[in-house]
Amino acid sequence: AQSVTQLDSQVPVFEEAPVELRCNYSSSVSVYLFWYVQYPNQGLQLLLKYLSGSTLVKGINGFEAEFNKSQTSFHLRKPSVHISDTAEYFCAVRGYNFNKFYFGSGTKLNVKP
Amino acid sequence: DTEVTQTPKHLVMGMTNKKSLKCEQHMGHRAMYWYKQKAKKPPELMFVYSYEKLSINESVPSRFSPECPNSSLLNLHLHALQPEDSALYLCASSPLITSGRRTGELFFGEGSRLTVL
Repeated sequence: AQSVTQLDSQVPVFEEAPVELRCNYSSSVSVYLFWYVQYPNQGLQLLLKYLSGSTLVKGINGFEAEFNKSQTSFHLRKPSVHISDTAEYFCAVRGYNFNKFYFGSGTKLNVKP
Repeated sequence: DTEVTQTPKHLVMGMTNKKSLKCEQHMGHRAMYWYKQKAKKPPELMFVYSYEKLSINESVPSRFSPECPNSSLLNLHLHALQPEDSALYLCASSPLITSGRRTGELFFGEGSRLTVL
């Protein structure tokens, strides 16, 4: 079985400051890892994904994430946030052999001016 | 074309009504999903179709009835819903793992906002 834990339900940060959103997963099998962003009243949009290869993954809007197998983590980072980054962020995991995705509980990023 | 299209965007229905939500994708994905999302919560899986066959039903009440008429379309038929069923209903698609395609991610539609009175 797989599960995803997002340790912070809310992260307040000032504009132009760096941010890290934390995600840990548990799985008995190899997995694909994803970060999605959801703006109010919209669907989920893929920010980035880890399938294999380099553990540092770059995504859209200046976000990046690092896969750490030993710590079973996939934390999302951005060096300088904008007001427009205010949204809900979801970490998700998918097993190699399964067509089922597991989502974390979400982290609300609130960027203040 | 990398879109998943959902209609309607908003739906208000009474508890005795019958309505349907529709979803369409033309990316050749053979896995399609229905998720339910309540405010400030993650998406909650309801159903998965693989090759137009229902492969996962997460113990969803029978007042929700999914249908996959072909590889591009996914419907969710609604009947005798309760006010607590009010939520954002999200459709998604993805390549099947067994297809060997390694993009792996879910592609979401914008959702249908359902209000049950």
